[in-house]
Amino acid sequence: GQQLNQSPQSMFIQEGEDVSMNCTSSSIFNTWLWYKQDPGEGPVLLIALYKAGELTSNGRLTAQFGITRKDSFLNISASIPSDVGIYFCAGQNNNDMRFGAGTRLTVKP
Amino acid sequence: GAVVSQHPSRVICKSGTSVKIECRSLDFQATTMFWYRQFPKKSLMLMATSNEGSKATYEQGVEKDKFLINHASLTLSTLTVTSAHPEDSSFYICSAGRTGGSYTFGSGTRLTVV
Repeated sequence: GQQLNQSPQSMFIQEGEDVSMNCTSSSIFNTWLWYKQDPGEGPVLLIALYKAGELTSNGRLTAQFGITRKDSFLNISASIPSDVGIYFCAGQNNNDMRFGAGTRLTVKP
Repeated sequence: GAVVSQHPSRVICKSGTSVKIECRSLDFQATTMFWYRQFPKKSLMLMATSNEGSKATYEQGVEKDKFLINHASLTLSTLTVTSAHPEDSSFYICSAGRTGGSYTFGSGTRLTVV
């Protein structure tokens, strides 16, 4: 199915640094979601956004639902080693959910 | 709440045999379940959408006779890989939820066909 455009593909950062990743789409979505996947596990929901312009935080994570409903970003502040993993964005309209290709995050202690 | 259990977590089977993977919603009724396939270092590829009591809707390019999906109850969907071959080796993940709501993923099944 159609994938979202997620960038960057990978990031190598130092512990304590902030991280930003984003997703764009040519289609409008009613819901934007951000997931984290650890190796050998299923994705776990980090943040769900339901309203255009919405800015939501979950601890050190902050995500925004773009005003055009075609994009979203995720910020991680003060990264720690356990932030390592693959982050996926997803756009959802009812039962239609599309994923980005993922951002692989490596955090150096 | 919203716990999805996927079983088995790992399975190794011989080429030509069939393998069944179960996806259960433990504390809610899932009207819709999705099945995904994930290749190493790649994103999730939707295989099919399964609605309770009806036939699954397969994505283009996914063989419905090879990947049999049954969603017989509101808490259980199964994916059977029939006559498995080495190229079917992959990580399979289900997700479950209510129509229009948020979806929770299972922990995935690593299938290795030898």
